Amino acid sequence: QLQLQESGPGLVKPSETPSLTCTVSGDSISTSGYYWGWIRQPPGKGLEWIGSIYYSGSTYYNPSLKSRVTISVDTSKNQFSLKLVSVTAADTAVYYCARPRGGAYGYFDYWGQGTLVTVSS
Amino acid sequence: QSALTQPASVSGSPGQSITISCTGTSSDVGSYNFVSWYQQHPGKAPKLMIYDVSKRPSGVSNRFSGSKSGNTASLTISGLQAEDEADYYCCSYAGSHVVFGGGTKLTVL
Repeated sequence: QLQLQESGPGLVKPSETPSLTCTVSGDSISTSGYYWGWIRQPPGKGLEWIGSIYYSGSTYYNPSLKSRVTISVDTSKNQFSLKLVSVTAADTAVYYCARPRGGAYGYFDYWGQGTLVTVSS
Repeated sequence: QSALTQPASVSGSPGQSITISCTGTSSDVGSYNFVSWYQQHPGKAPKLMIYDVSKRPSGVSNRFSGSKSGNTASLTISGLQAEDEADYYCCSYAGSHVVFGGGTKLTVL
């Protein structure tokens, strides 16, 4: 059974550049045809797609976040990561990693439990 | 890009049917049959309920069904049960990115 688990800093200060990691278990992140993605949800609000990555390193980003986001993959650790540059309070959210099926922009069939990132001084 | 438009809330009694709409544009819902729906209970991760407009993943009750007409997709839940009370989100491919709806809170009376 595929499982995804996010880990992150929890509390970060404005202007910092936090990194979040998603550890995949139950399958290889390098399995051909599978992409991996990040979605976030501000407290009490809706979902927002951040971006996706293929194990080869090809990335696909939300145009509204593209200038501040970097998604990378470490196949040796079966992990992929999200870096968000110069955060503000508006980046406070639960960050989910998930697996998009049918391509980088596909539907999300497996989700992690989410990790809350709070931006506050 | 704008989020897809969903009603903020819908409600129904046990056993009844409800429909949640998801209105997009000709750049997303109207152009692609890649609409998915997610159920989210409080404090939990979203769960895939419908994909590719009307397909159900294995293990999802056949009380859940999806459809699309023009720029509007719909999720119908028949035979409402107390456990269906949750937030529901639609999602669509929008040509080089993905867009979600604002979410609909379903209350089972």
